[in-house]
Amino acid sequence: EAGVAQSPRYKIIEKRQSVAFWCNPISGHATLYWYQQILGQGPKLLIQFQNNGVVDDSQLPKDRFSAERLKGVDSTLKIQPAKLEDSAVYLCASSLGPGANYGYTFGSGTRLTVV
Amino acid sequence: AQTVTQSQPEMSVQEAETVTLSCTYDTSESDYYLFWYKQPPSRQMILVIRQEAYKQQNATENRFSVNFQKAAKSFSLKISDSQLGDAAMYFCAYTVNYGGSQGNLIFGKGTKLSVKP
Repeated sequence: EAGVAQSPRYKIIEKRQSVAFWCNPISGHATLYWYQQILGQGPKLLIQFQNNGVVDDSQLPKDRFSAERLKGVDSTLKIQPAKLEDSAVYLCASSLGPGANYGYTFGSGTRLTVV
Repeated sequence: AQTVTQSQPEMSVQEAETVTLSCTYDTSESDYYLFWYKQPPSRQMILVIRQEAYKQQNATENRFSVNFQKAAKSFSLKISDSQLGDAAMYFCAYTVNYGGSQGNLIFGKGTKLSVKP
């Protein structure tokens, strides 16, 4: 079974620029999560999708972050404009459904550096 | 608010020895899951072990076992016969378990484990 694919693996941008990250979940996984992991901290949920609908985006900084999951498969997370404090690893995870019963599969993340 | 606390930023163990990583959590829920994840430099979160709160028996997976103390809200990970490949960041995580729950994982800050040859 293929894992959760994320790209790019690394990205360096200047502050105020925009950036986009892509996630391809495991085939058939209806639930998709985006987590932000700042250096020295644990991952924090940014947004959760169930198919192509948003379940939870309460911790997403909506003035600069946006995410979509067209057709309930791939997802894109965008930051515009980026700030220095956005430097982090952005992890995507997918699951057959919401809830821990289904388990979680994580991708290898995108490391973003904002200079 | 539900929180997960890992009080040991770094731990070190000699190869073949045993090490215990600590985790405490705060919740008012009675039905939930607890996890230990390993994150090597590749950054991918790898599930080490999972515990369901309503199960009294501590979970075990080969060399990995947990000490789950529900009343104390404590969930420690014991790694026996440590191997060089165990070196990584370890994260404790929590999620509620009830009908309609979203399944969002709440993570601690992690413990960096070093294994000395």
